[in-house]
Amino acid sequence: EVQLVESGGGLVQPGRSLRLSCAASGFTFDDYAMHWVRQAPGKGLEWVSGISWNTGSISYADSVKGRFTISRDNAKNSLYLQMNSLRPEDTALYYCAKVGGSVIYYELDYWGQGTLVTVSS
Amino acid sequence: EIVMTQSPATLSVSPGERATLSCRASQSVGSNLAWYQQKPGQAPRLLIYGASSRATGIPARFSGSGSGTEFTLTISSLQSEDFAVYYCQQYNNWPFPFGQGTKLEIK
Repeated sequence: EVQLVESGGGLVQPGRSLRLSCAASGFTFDDYAMHWVRQAPGKGLEWVSGISWNTGSISYADSVKGRFTISRDNAKNSLYLQMNSLRPEDTALYYCAKVGGSVIYYELDYWGQGTLVTVSS
Repeated sequence: EIVMTQSPATLSVSPGERATLSCRASQSVGSNLAWYQQKPGQAPRLLIYGASSRATGIPARFSGSGSGTEFTLTISSLQSEDFAVYYCQQYNNWPFPFGQGTKLEIK
């Protein structure tokens, strides 16, 4: 059974940093690309970033480019999102999602339950 | 950058009836389009990928169609568990935006 468990969320002041993690199990992690998607309270889904199986292809939404960094450790079956210079508008539930293939250009076939990030003073 | 537009924002349908949801891309995405269902307090769930292929475990009453810029999700006979918010997403070109969602509610 595919499982994705996010962690690392919390309350943080504007301008500070936070690192999210996603622990994956139930599939061969290094065969698949992974993405982060976020959802502000009461709002729709916003794609944030994606990374291919070998980190050879990485993409970001314009809203986070230059502030967020996606990475993965295939030996630890883990996905990460380093978030710097956080803003109140980054407040959201952050989901990690598995892609249906090795590159980022596939559908998101499994999702975690999300970790909540709140940016406020 | 591709913009995904869903319509209507809210759709009121009676159980047992058919629901038709639309998604439009600002430029062609081929068949690289997915539909997701999200219920309150839950993570999204993949319904349709490749514009028309049902994901694992998705009932046959869900079907997708379209290519290029115009896509449709049809639910043939609504069950109580189908009332939720539905999102489309293109994955043909970076970035990979979602539509704003269609809320399917009980009439």
